[in-house]
Amino acid sequence: AQSVTQLDSQVPVFEEAPVELRCNYSSSVSVYLFWYVQYPNQGLQLLLKYLSGSTLVKGINGFEAEFNKSQTSFHLRKPSVHISDTAEYFCAVIRAGNMLTFGGGTRLMVKP
Amino acid sequence: DARVTQTPRHKVTEMGQEVTMRCQPILGHNTVFWYRQTMMQGLELLAYFRNRAPLDDSGMPKDRFSAEMPDATLATLKIQPSEPRDSAVYFCASGPETGGASEAFFGQGTRLTVV
Repeated sequence: AQSVTQLDSQVPVFEEAPVELRCNYSSSVSVYLFWYVQYPNQGLQLLLKYLSGSTLVKGINGFEAEFNKSQTSFHLRKPSVHISDTAEYFCAVIRAGNMLTFGGGTRLMVKP
Repeated sequence: DARVTQTPRHKVTEMGQEVTMRCQPILGHNTVFWYRQTMMQGLELLAYFRNRAPLDDSGMPKDRFSAEMPDATLATLKIQPSEPRDSAVYFCASGPETGGASEAFFGQGTRLTVV
């Protein structure tokens, strides 16, 4: 069974600093990868997705992620965070025909 | 502005009562998911429908939970009888199926409290 591991449950960072949220998945077959963001009292919103093609994927709000097949990773990055980026971020994987499987989430806390 | 609509947004009920949560998927989406979110367990997939047929509900306690799609515009998740441990936020999501991969568009959730 595939699984998704988000190595950090919380990431505190100062405003305008860069950030990386880590995600590793366990699957030897082709997968599709997603990052979602959840703001307080809201549902999840898609940030970006990797289906095929270029391994560097750009999403909304200045986020990007890089698919690394050899390391089975899909880390999320942003060069300069804002207070408004404070939220919970979920990595998810899916194989064709299967369901989205989410990681445990990483709470990004941006401090002024 | 297409969105997944969930009702009610909040529900407080007494243990033993029946709870029904409703979801209107985005028009044209053929996959529907029900997730439960708690602090302890994170996001758990409860049920997954494709073209209104249940494909996987292995994450759902069968003795008290049931999920149905009476038509393409309505998905329901029912708990009978409810228990305090069912307190959680329940999310519905729908998605188009593109090339076998289905991303999900989430509703705002139903926050259920069973006392």
